[in-house]
Amino acid sequence: RKEVEQDPGPFNVPEGATVAFNCTYSNSASQSFFWYRQDCRKEPKLLMSVYSSGNEDGRFTAQLNRASQYISLLIRDSKLSDSATYLCVVKVRDTGNQFYFGTGTSLTVIP
Amino acid sequence: DAGITQSPRYKITETGRQVTLMCHQTWSHSYMFWYRQDLGHGLRLIYYSAAADITDKGEVPDGYVVSRSKTENFPLTLESATRSQTSVYFCASSDWGSGRPEQYFGPGTRLTVT
Repeated sequence: RKEVEQDPGPFNVPEGATVAFNCTYSNSASQSFFWYRQDCRKEPKLLMSVYSSGNEDGRFTAQLNRASQYISLLIRDSKLSDSATYLCVVKVRDTGNQFYFGTGTSLTVIP
Repeated sequence: DAGITQSPRYKITETGRQVTLMCHQTWSHSYMFWYRQDLGHGLRLIYYSAAADITDKGEVPDGYVVSRSKTENFPLTLESATRSQTSVYFCASSDWGSGRPEQYFGPGTRLTVT
């Protein structure tokens, strides 16, 4: 079983739409959670960390549900520049700072 | 502010040859990592290092060797390249000791083994 699972999509949404991605993780010892963004043929870049109480950064809102072991990312008012692959990332306690990456969810925002 | 760099950016080699991919970071981060990214698998950890002279295996270490004699450098060597090692390789670093575990990635090396 994979440590982190995501719906691969693709999600194709019009500009201005709200879109949500979910991600589940299998290890209850998971300690830290992140969303990364990866543009085509580029390196992953940190989008935001995910905190237990949920957190927001502009148009992006991340939520964590430890009981159900899932993480979500909500993007409001989608822009063309949001088109990318979004990676759900989990750090498991006592694994030497190893990160486990989901395979990513592809988003295309259409004009 | 150079951050984290990788070289070469593109490499074509033949089966059986030894190849070394370089990674250099200017932040003095304690942790460094090597990943490979393939379609359908996402990013998979090959090796990581918590500090100079400390390395450990990740999920897919077979066929790879690493060393870390200096904090800023973390080379990855393919001892005898195989076609299955054709991939995009990303190096990353993290300043976990400061309480910020986020990883920062280099631009990647696209390796083709023919």
